[in-house]
Amino acid sequence: GAVVSQHPSRVICKSGTSVKIECRSLDFQATTMFWYRQFPKQSLMLMATSNEGSKATYEQGVEKDKFLINHASLTLSTLTVTSAHPEDSSFYICSAVKGAFDQPQHFGDGTRLSIL
Amino acid sequence: GENVEQHPSTLSVQEGDSAVIKCTYSDSASNYFPWYKQELGKGPQLIIDIRSNVGEKKDQRIAVTLNKTAKHFSLHITETQPEDSAVYFCAAETDYKLSFGAGTTVTVRA
Repeated sequence: GAVVSQHPSRVICKSGTSVKIECRSLDFQATTMFWYRQFPKQSLMLMATSNEGSKATYEQGVEKDKFLINHASLTLSTLTVTSAHPEDSSFYICSAVKGAFDQPQHFGDGTRLSIL
Repeated sequence: GENVEQHPSTLSVQEGDSAVIKCTYSDSASNYFPWYKQELGKGPQLIIDIRSNVGEKKDQRIAVTLNKTAKHFSLHITETQPEDSAVYFCAAETDYKLSFGAGTTVTVRA
């Protein structure tokens, strides 16, 4: 149980393109989903917290107009990187949690974004 | 905010030996501490977690200990196997959010 699916797994596109990444909880309803960014050989950095039906909460230093998050249902959240540039190249990972605090976050397998 | 420190950054062990990873955290309000294993090109996988109302938890070859007074927690892997080779992250939860340690790259030598 607790399967989180992330799509696509890899994206390579030109600078200026907008890219959408989907995160789905397949076997549970996620009250909250999180979006992380991970650079090579580094830890996970939280970008934003997403709750179904409400606006996402962004961490300090994360541009909300650059990284658009939509959480349309209890099983789907999307991250759109708008007008992507080479510095946006990274590994983006989502997680989903069922219930309130002290519950485990279950992660997707990430999306490798490469901007040329 | 929460600050989680993790040591060592790399760990090489002989197959069959034990591996220990230690983490400290700064926010005394943290009550939930998961450990994740991340393989190359994959997302983190939860391997064990502990809540502040217990001091130790074990699941087969994996155990976690928590000392809330000292604000540190540790992961113990016994009888290591080559498939245990991966990057391991500790984390502490505050206000529903996880703060991660820097990670430990574990290599199990056959």
